[in-house]
Amino acid sequence: EAQVTQNPRYLITVTGKKLTVTCSQNMNHEYMSWYRQDPGLGLRQIYYSMNVEVTDKGDVPEGYKVSRKEKRNFPLILESPSPNQTSLYFCASSPGHVVEQYFGPGTRLTVT
Amino acid sequence: GENVEQHPSTLSVQEGDSAVIKCTYSDSASNYFPWYKQELGKGPQLIIDIRSNVGEKKDQRIAVTLNKTAKHFSLHITETQPEDSAVYFCAASMNYGGSQGNLIFGKGTKLSVKP
Repeated sequence: EAQVTQNPRYLITVTGKKLTVTCSQNMNHEYMSWYRQDPGLGLRQIYYSMNVEVTDKGDVPEGYKVSRKEKRNFPLILESPSPNQTSLYFCASSPGHVVEQYFGPGTRLTVT
Repeated sequence: GENVEQHPSTLSVQEGDSAVIKCTYSDSASNYFPWYKQELGKGPQLIIDIRSNVGEKKDQRIAVTLNKTAKHFSLHITETQPEDSAVYFCAASMNYGGSQGNLIFGKGTKLSVKP
């Protein structure tokens, strides 16, 4: 089944404790992206990747890192999480830059 | 950069009625306008999209219209059903310097269809 998977789905952590949210797609898509969703703010892009080893900042990159060493994986790294990074995170992928994006199921992160 | 405004933020309709959600965008260079539906506990899913060379597109009970002059586009759902209840997001993608930009999303509309 073609899909985007994210792990973990739920995470509660404390300020400053490094964490990684994994994202994997099995559709051989070139483009991958991370968004955060906050009430009243919609979906905001954090980082995106056009292909392996090609990443770039979205609208809200502060406090996040990404890497794209393999085509299928695009992990999101929070080196020192803070409470303002409490949010619902979505990974998405697409075969091209401006075509349908396929979203993962989301990761709900709480930073205390 | 591009800015997408979406209205209303919440919409409640009776089953069988029509629902309309409107979005405006700021940059006339935008040329791709998708609509995503997000059901509770799931990621957004594309339901329909339109490109700037087309004024209207229809898929069964769903239609999208685009007015490039006014820089607004709308989602129309006819004969609404309870399973249409979800959060709907519009988005726009801008073309600048020959490169296609990323999607900029509206803030979402929570649609409730009452049986």
